[in-house]
Amino acid sequence: DAGITQSPRHKVTETGTPVTLRCHQTENHRYMYWYRQDPGHGLRLIHYSYGVKDTDKGEVSDGYSVSRSKTEDFLLTLESATSSQTSVYFCAISGGASGAYEQYFGPGTRLTVT
Amino acid sequence: AQSVTQPDIHITVSEGASLELRCNYSYGATPYLFWYVQSPGQGLQLLLKYFSGDTLVQGIKGFEAEFKRSQSSFNLRKPSVHWSDAAEYFCAVAPWGTGGGNKLTFGTGTQLKVEL
Repeated sequence: DAGITQSPRHKVTETGTPVTLRCHQTENHRYMYWYRQDPGHGLRLIHYSYGVKDTDKGEVSDGYSVSRSKTEDFLLTLESATSSQTSVYFCAISGGASGAYEQYFGPGTRLTVT
Repeated sequence: AQSVTQPDIHITVSEGASLELRCNYSYGATPYLFWYVQSPGQGLQLLLKYFSGDTLVQGIKGFEAEFKRSQSSFNLRKPSVHWSDAAEYFCAVAPWGTGGGNKLTFGTGTQLKVEL
């Protein structure tokens, strides 16, 4: 399995509070991604990174920001959490020997906003 | 923009029976195609991929998929299902030639139940 960890694995927070989720990789892959998974929607891309300090928006980026100051870490921040951001968040990486197009996923973070 | 349709939300099969999960995509050219599997409480695991060449691709766990350009389909198959195959399966597409890194578009998933 690809060396991807996500922290925390579970979090409950209140509406209006800031939340930061962390993705850490030990594979030295160039590309990193944040998705959210919701019933009936599959996975949807929030933000992605194509290198240190290089990020771009995905399909559902409103209300989220990201940062990547090191190759191995990709942070997702909910500036002011809302109930609609209750979801399971997955980090993914690509860009190793198998190429840029094969993505490998972390175990996920279940976030509940009350 | 590309899109992916998995028309079956739930499928139930008996152990030992054959399986086919449907996936249709919409894209102006031949995309890169993937199937992922997700067990409860787990992340997604790549089953197989199609980039080019032979339209029948083999993956892990005895799965295969066939790319049919004329039907814009990439259906997943397995000749004999095992109880451990019960999971959710996602088809995904990435646009060809985007120059590195890809923005995968996922289908909504098919939940597979296996009856013993």
